[in-house]
Amino acid sequence: QSVLTQPPSASGTPGQRVTISCSGSSSNIGSNNVNWYQQLPGTAPELLIYNNDQRPSGVPDRLSGSKSGTSASLAISGLQSEDEAGYYCAAWDDSLNGVVFGGGTKLTVL
Amino acid sequence: QLQLQESGPGLVKPSETLSLTCTVSGGSISDSFYYWAWIRQPPGKGLEWIGSIYYSGSTYYNPSLKSRVTISVDTSKNQFFLRLSSVTAADTAVYYCARRLIRYCSGFSCYSALFFGFDFWGRGTLVTVPS
Repeated sequence: QSVLTQPPSASGTPGQRVTISCSGSSSNIGSNNVNWYQQLPGTAPELLIYNNDQRPSGVPDRLSGSKSGTSASLAISGLQSEDEAGYYCAAWDDSLNGVVFGGGTKLTVL
Repeated sequence: QLQLQESGPGLVKPSETLSLTCTVSGGSISDSFYYWAWIRQPPGKGLEWIGSIYYSGSTYYNPSLKSRVTISVDTSKNQFFLRLSSVTAADTAVYYCARRLIRYCSGFSCYSALFFGFDFWGRGTLVTVPS
């Protein structure tokens, strides 16, 4: 069982906006920044969002991150077929003194 | 462009020690803005952080693996290493090495934290421990 909680699945149609949630606690999301990853099948994860809402160069602005209290969200607007992938959130946990991940959300583009 | 490459045996016998090397190219492992990490992913499952090391040798380990894990660094070779002892079938996974961002600058401001994200990853290497 993962320290951060994500829905196991999400779906949307092309052009739609979808949101993936990540729920934690005061020792992780509540006191540290959140980052998000995309993992295409058979490949390594790729950083999409760091420091809650910052995008690395090359990540399109239709992806956005936000954080409120002990929860965070990743929003993907203008959904495209190539967005079909696994998505993971992560944060530092002060109690464990280490990095914790969410269990991952598989996004399906219908 | 930064590249990370994992190397090591793809098959390890139960009770033995798993040893992997991550070779960093296109950048310095001694860059103060980064730690260096090992992360694993069992087949069909999610990501698990194993531990991280700074170029100075400072380490953080996942408490659930701490008794079996050693991460070390060789700055002269731009490499860092993972050793996981007493392996079982539950340690079968794709093992990734990655760069962990702890500082960044944007405009005239710079930011520091224990963890901003893993911004570069190796391609991963599958290590199998037969049951």
